[in-house]
Amino acid sequence: AQSVTQLDSQVPVFEEAPVELRCNYSSSVSVYLFWYVQYPNQGLQLLLKYLSGSTLVKGINGFEAEFNKSQTSFHLRKPSVHISDTAEYFCAARDTGRRALTFGSGTRLQVQP
Amino acid sequence: GAVVSQHPSWVICKSGTSVKIECRSLDFQATTMFWYRQFPKQSLMLMATSNEGSKATYEQGVEKDKFLINHASLTLSTLTVTSAHPEDSSFYICSARSDDGKSYEQYFGPGTRLTVT
Repeated sequence: AQSVTQLDSQVPVFEEAPVELRCNYSSSVSVYLFWYVQYPNQGLQLLLKYLSGSTLVKGINGFEAEFNKSQTSFHLRKPSVHISDTAEYFCAARDTGRRALTFGSGTRLQVQP
Repeated sequence: GAVVSQHPSWVICKSGTSVKIECRSLDFQATTMFWYRQFPKQSLMLMATSNEGSKATYEQGVEKDKFLINHASLTLSTLTVTSAHPEDSSFYICSARSDDGKSYEQYFGPGTRLTVT
């Protein structure tokens, strides 16, 4: 992917509310898309990935994302967040012909009681 | 399965010294590993792609003589920061891609926080 854009640097939300973290990508070829979560001072954990097939992808911890080719988007959603979801979330893309990932700038999800 | 470890998890060193960071794939083989750098509150920037048995491929702007990468086996890649300076202080994260041909994802290590004083 040539670039990955996460439109929101921070998203504050109350516990049990729904949330959407936005991600757009640009690429001239087919891409694989990923969402990762990073807790403080830790590495990245894969939430979900889109490779092909169904555009609605379900991941761990109740998260899901929808691939929209026409809008070049891969937004992450959760219907009801928990305090423990507070973390940094990264969207990433990889061109099908490349090995390396391109990351977005990250979105800090802050869940408030 | 698919665990990647890094050692050390944190290190403090004096300016001018060298520091080696290890990245290991514990339960799978990885011909290809990646080294990323992350500044506070910023995203991951790919530094280089580590290839077992051959030279690493560095991204534009990354000094290969400063950040030495050695991928000596299918489960180990090392990053050596030579003649470290305070501006090299950062969070370094490695990832590995399984050789099984089925996985399209990278597995990330827990990161190494380097502080150069």
